[in-house]
Amino acid sequence: NAGVTQTPKFRVLKTGQSMTLLCAQDMNHEYMYWYRQDPGMGLRLIHYSVGEGTTAKGEVPDGYNVSRLKKQNFLLGLESAAPSQTSVYFCASSYWVGGSSYNEQFFGPGTRLTVL
Amino acid sequence: AQSVTQLDSQVPVFEEAPVELRCNYSSSVSVYLFWYVQYPNQGLQLLLKYLSGSTLVKGINGFEAEFNKSQTSFHLRKPSVHISDTAEYFCAVSRSNDYKLSFGAGTTVTVRA
Repeated sequence: NAGVTQTPKFRVLKTGQSMTLLCAQDMNHEYMYWYRQDPGMGLRLIHYSVGEGTTAKGEVPDGYNVSRLKKQNFLLGLESAAPSQTSVYFCASSYWVGGSSYNEQFFGPGTRLTVL
Repeated sequence: AQSVTQLDSQVPVFEEAPVELRCNYSSSVSVYLFWYVQYPNQGLQLLLKYLSGSTLVKGINGFEAEFNKSQTSFHLRKPSVHISDTAEYFCAVSRSNDYKLSFGAGTTVTVRA
């Protein structure tokens, strides 16, 4: 049981290049999330998904796109990278049974992206 | 919408001393509260959570937190820290009927011998 895994761990891009970050979870979670972490700003939600084939915008979605073609995978794309997208990206997943249940999110190890 | 304020960005502390990390939140509805820990170069791990019931919540690694509704606070404490507690700590909140979390900016705890 690997939990949440992220690929790659590190990446350096030049301005204008594109890339895709892959997140995979083996816990059969319905909900998946992409965050970015910047110093002094905590984690900010980029996009999230409440199930296979669905995606929604979070707090800071501009410049990113996502896809959830399979329940276990959540992809984050940067079509034209900018230096402002230099950050550490975390993927998370959670189950949700509604009602009085709570949302413990399980996090991947992160991807450190530098855009030059 | 809810928001989270962590009142200390950095907390240096000596080994075996107590530590308190302060967290305040604002919300017009009922909330769930969480503390996550991030060890160097790792992802986030849940330390403890408050959903309802007893306002004193115990978590892993000897940490505890107290929910104070009147002061809208959820401060994290440990009576005696170890070098291995050096990490960044995040307070997070969600509405009780929501699955999205809002995180504070984080508090970096550095434990020195």
